[in-house]
Amino acid sequence: EVQLLESGGGLVQPGGSLRLSCAASGFTFSNFMAWVRQAPGKGLEWVSGISGSGGGTFYADSVKGRFIISRDNSMNTLYLHMNTLRADDTAVYFCAKDAGYDSGHEVFDSWGQGTLVTVSS
Amino acid sequence: DIQMTQSPSTLSASVGDRVTITCRASQSISIWLAWFQQKPGMAPKLLIYKASSLESGVPSRFSGSGSGTEFTLTISSLQPDDFATYYCQQYNIRWTFGQGTKVEIK
Repeated sequence: EVQLLESGGGLVQPGGSLRLSCAASGFTFSNFMAWVRQAPGKGLEWVSGISGSGGGTFYADSVKGRFIISRDNSMNTLYLHMNTLRADDTAVYFCAKDAGYDSGHEVFDSWGQGTLVTVSS
Repeated sequence: DIQMTQSPSTLSASVGDRVTITCRASQSISIWLAWFQQKPGMAPKLLIYKASSLESGVPSRFSGSGSGTEFTLTISSLQPDDFATYYCQQYNIRWTFGQGTKVEIK
């Protein structure tokens, strides 16, 4: 059974940093992986994605230059390093796994339960 | 960036109703369209991928259609477990979600 378990969320002041982790199990950790967030009471927003090897990384314009996605395939873990955090980064952050149906077109078939990041003074 | 627009934003329906949700892309995305269901406090669940392919384990009352810029999600006979928010998502160029459609009890 695929399991994705996020951790690392919490309360942080504006301008601060936080690192999220997503521990994966139940599948070979070589899929494209992504982070998706959801602000309180709002819709879903794709944040960042990373190829299976880690050599390709992708970012939404809203986080480019502030967030860094990475992965440790030996530890089956995905990370999101978040810097210069702003109030509008407040959200539940989900990690998600690509289904692997079509190379070059990644669709997310498994999701973690999410971790809440609150940016406030 | 590709924008995704869903309609309606809210839909009131009864058990047994046939329900249709529409999603429009700001430019052609071919068939690279997914539908997700999300319940409060839960992660999204993949229902449909590649516009019309049913994800394993998803009931057959869910179906998707369309290509290019116009897509629909249809629930043939609404069940109590189906009251939730539904999102479309394009994955042709990067990934963009629609704003969501809340299906509520009439």
